[in-house]
Amino acid sequence: DVKVTQSSRYLVKRTGEKVFLECVQDMDHENMFWYRQDPGLGLRLIYFSYDVKMKEKGDIPEGYSVSREKKERFSLILESASTNQTSMYLCASSLNDRTDPISYNEQFFGPGTRLTVL
Amino acid sequence: GIQVEQSPPDLILQEGANSTLRCNFSDSVNNLQWFHQNPWGQLINLFYIPSGTKQNGRLSATTVATERYSLLYISSSQTTDSGVYFCAVEDRFGNEKLTFGTGTRLTIIP
Repeated sequence: DVKVTQSSRYLVKRTGEKVFLECVQDMDHENMFWYRQDPGLGLRLIYFSYDVKMKEKGDIPEGYSVSREKKERFSLILESASTNQTSMYLCASSLNDRTDPISYNEQFFGPGTRLTVL
Repeated sequence: GIQVEQSPPDLILQEGANSTLRCNFSDSVNNLQWFHQNPWGQLINLFYIPSGTKQNGRLSATTVATERYSLLYISSSQTTDSGVYFCAVEDRFGNEKLTFGTGTRLTIIP
């Protein structure tokens, strides 16, 4: 079974702090994703990565950065946390093998991190 | 970008009832997934179904790609089926990004 883990289930930080959210997957997936989920707005893509050291902006990258130094780990960084970044953060991973019609880009999600910025 | 609409937004049913959830999308897709978000926020994969029909126990799904919709069927509902069901699609350009619908909140009453 694919397993995606996130470093914290709940996190409380203060405005202006630098925040790191960590995500690790154990299935050798090339693609990794960070989403945030807010009531009424659904899930929105922040950043994704299709390979080590590669990153692409999603729909709402402002205020965030990412790091992917190893294939299995994808970090989301809030350089200076603000109250409008209070949200549920979800990490996902997927295979990037277009020759595999069964599971190409089937995304698997971690348990999520509920971040509160005070 | 591609638009994804789910209906109904809310559904309340008695235990044992059957339900059909719908997902409409505005363009051709490479990938379509159904997820169940449990009360703790975890997104559970139900189906990877860009076309055709699949079944898994009491759940089944059908995607009619040419008509741009997918249906999720839940039979003999149980209280553990409660939660929010999301449909998500990857558009035909194959950029590997999923666009999510706004979900259907299902509540099963004992």
